[in-house]
Amino acid sequence: KQEVTQIPAALSVPEGENLVLNCSFTDSAIYNLQWFRQDPGKGLTSLLLIQSSQREQTSGRLNASLDKSSGRSTLYIAASQPGDSATYLCAVRNNAGNMLTFGGGTRLMVKP
Amino acid sequence: DAGVTQSPTHLIKTRGQQVTLRCSPKSGHDTVSWYQQALGQGPQFIFQYYEEEERQRGNFPDRFSGHQFPNYSSELNVNALLLGDSALYLCASSLPPWGVAYGYTFGSGTRLTVV
Repeated sequence: KQEVTQIPAALSVPEGENLVLNCSFTDSAIYNLQWFRQDPGKGLTSLLLIQSSQREQTSGRLNASLDKSSGRSTLYIAASQPGDSATYLCAVRNNAGNMLTFGGGTRLMVKP
Repeated sequence: DAGVTQSPTHLIKTRGQQVTLRCSPKSGHDTVSWYQQALGQGPQFIFQYYEEEERQRGNFPDRFSGHQFPNYSSELNVNALLLGDSALYLCASSLPPWGVAYGYTFGSGTRLTVV
């Protein structure tokens, strides 16, 4: 059974800092990994999708890496802004089955 | 380009009642999945529908059932509501299940409160 863990559970940083969010998964037989952002009480916004054959994806100030063999992914946010404050979720899609397995999320607060 | 649309946005029900939640997938998507997200936790997979059939199911009791219509929209039904069913219910759409290169698009969710 796939298990996804996100560390840290919560993070508070001053504006302008570069930061790294971590995601680990127990079963390396995945199709892809997706990072999402969730604002309080809202739905999920897809940030980046990394296929199992890829090492990283970039979108603006965001960069996500994937090391499938070690079961790890990181989301790097450059020059953080107060508007980046949200919960960040990673989810993996296994080779077996079409569902996403989510981590518990990292709650990020960027202070002005 | 309309994304995933869910209704209603909020709902309050009494324990023991039944509820129906609705979802319209993103244009071009024909696969719909439902997730339950308890407060402070990551979403949990309920089930997925494709070609009007339930294709995969997570670890949820039979009180949770669904349906997909010919226009790809979907409903989630929950019977005999329990207090523990209070959660944010998220609908996600995607291309066919074998389209594994593609990600999921999520709606804004329905907040269900059971009192």
